[in-house]
Amino acid sequence: AQSVTQLGSHVSVSEGALVLLRCNYSSSVPPYLFWYVQYPNQGLQLLLKYTTGATLVKGINGFEAEFKKSETSFHLTKPSAHMSDAAEYFCAVNPQGAQKLVFGQGTRLTINP
Amino acid sequence: NAGVTQTPKFRILKIGQSMTLQCTQDMNHNYMYWYRQDPGMGLKLIYYSVGAGITDKGEVPNGYNVSRSTTEDFPLRLELAAPSQTSVYFCASSLFGQGMGNTIYFGEGSWLTVV
Repeated sequence: AQSVTQLGSHVSVSEGALVLLRCNYSSSVPPYLFWYVQYPNQGLQLLLKYTTGATLVKGINGFEAEFKKSETSFHLTKPSAHMSDAAEYFCAVNPQGAQKLVFGQGTRLTINP
Repeated sequence: NAGVTQTPKFRILKIGQSMTLQCTQDMNHNYMYWYRQDPGMGLKLIYYSVGAGITDKGEVPNGYNVSRSTTEDFPLRLELAAPSQTSVYFCASSLFGQGMGNTIYFGEGSWLTVV
């Protein structure tokens, strides 16, 4: 069965520092890949997704992610963290042909002033 | 833009009670989903629907029922609530189905506690 692993349930960075949230998936066939963000007491909002084409995907709020097939990874980055980036981030995959998203366990991002 | 609307936002249930979580979307999406989110875990699919009158089980359907009488509405019913059903429930919708990388849109969640 498809699985998604997010390394680190909590990540803390200083304001202005690089944000790197890691995501690896298990699949012999590359799935479709997503990053969602969840602000406190809110629903999930799509940050970005990869389906086909360019492997570096740009999303909202300055985030981007790179699909690396050889590493089965889809890590999320942002060059300079902002206080408003504090939230929970979920990596998810959509196995091709499956009517569902498979989510990682989430990474809570804290931004230190 | 209302998008996906869920009610209630918070609810406390006693063991053995039943209740219905309401979900409606105004985007004319064909596909609708119910997920649950447990602490420290990702979301898991409970049920989904590909159109009015058609529903199917997801990964964790036990203890739940759904119906889809209209395109807009997809209520989730909990029968005989158990503490294991304490969770945050998210309704979601998409114009096209998953399996092709289509974006799904989530509601704001319903926090349910069973005591």
